[in-house]
Amino acid sequence: AQSVTQLDSHVSVSEGTPVLLRCNYSSSYSPSLFWYVQHPNKGLQLLLKYTSAATLVKGINGFEAEFKKSETSFHLTKPSAHMSDAAEYFCVVFKAAGNKLTFGGGTRVLVKP
Amino acid sequence: DGGITQSPKYLFRKEGQNVTLSCEQNLNHDAMYWYRQDPGQGLRLIYYSQIVNDFQKGDIAEGYSVSREKKESFPLTVTSAQKNPTAFYLCASSIREGSYNEQFFGPGTRLTVL
Repeated sequence: AQSVTQLDSHVSVSEGTPVLLRCNYSSSYSPSLFWYVQHPNKGLQLLLKYTSAATLVKGINGFEAEFKKSETSFHLTKPSAHMSDAAEYFCVVFKAAGNKLTFGGGTRVLVKP
Repeated sequence: DGGITQSPKYLFRKEGQNVTLSCEQNLNHDAMYWYRQDPGQGLRLIYYSQIVNDFQKGDIAEGYSVSREKKESFPLTVTSAQKNPTAFYLCASSIREGSYNEQFFGPGTRLTVL
């Protein structure tokens, strides 16, 4: 069985400071992992995905994530937060049957001026 | 513009009534999905369809029904049997089955049962 745990339900950062969103997964085989972002009352947008190529994955809007198999982690980072980064972020693991995604509980990011 | 449209954006329903949520895509994707999102929770899969005239139950299918008569359309009916239907509903599509295929999401429909 696969599962995803996002370790922080809320993260608050100041504009211009780094952002770290933590995600741990469990999977019986080498997983495909994604980070999605959701702005209020909107659909989800893909930030980046890991599919067993390079362990450091660069995404849109300056985000990147590092796959660490030994730690079963896929943390999302950004060097400098922008006000527009205020949103909810979901760590997601792919489930083989039917292209199904298993979602973490989400991390809501607040960016202070 | 290519994309996924969902309508309506907000929907109110009286208890005991069935209601149908629309999802249309012009991305020529084979697979389509319906998710439910509740406050503070991730998305949970209701139904998915990999091809026209075929669909499978997801993790929380009870009280919901779907059809897939056209490639572009995957409507979701919330029936009166769904005990707690108030939620944000998201439709998604992808090229086909496979781990490398990104799912594209629509803007969502917020359903409130009065």
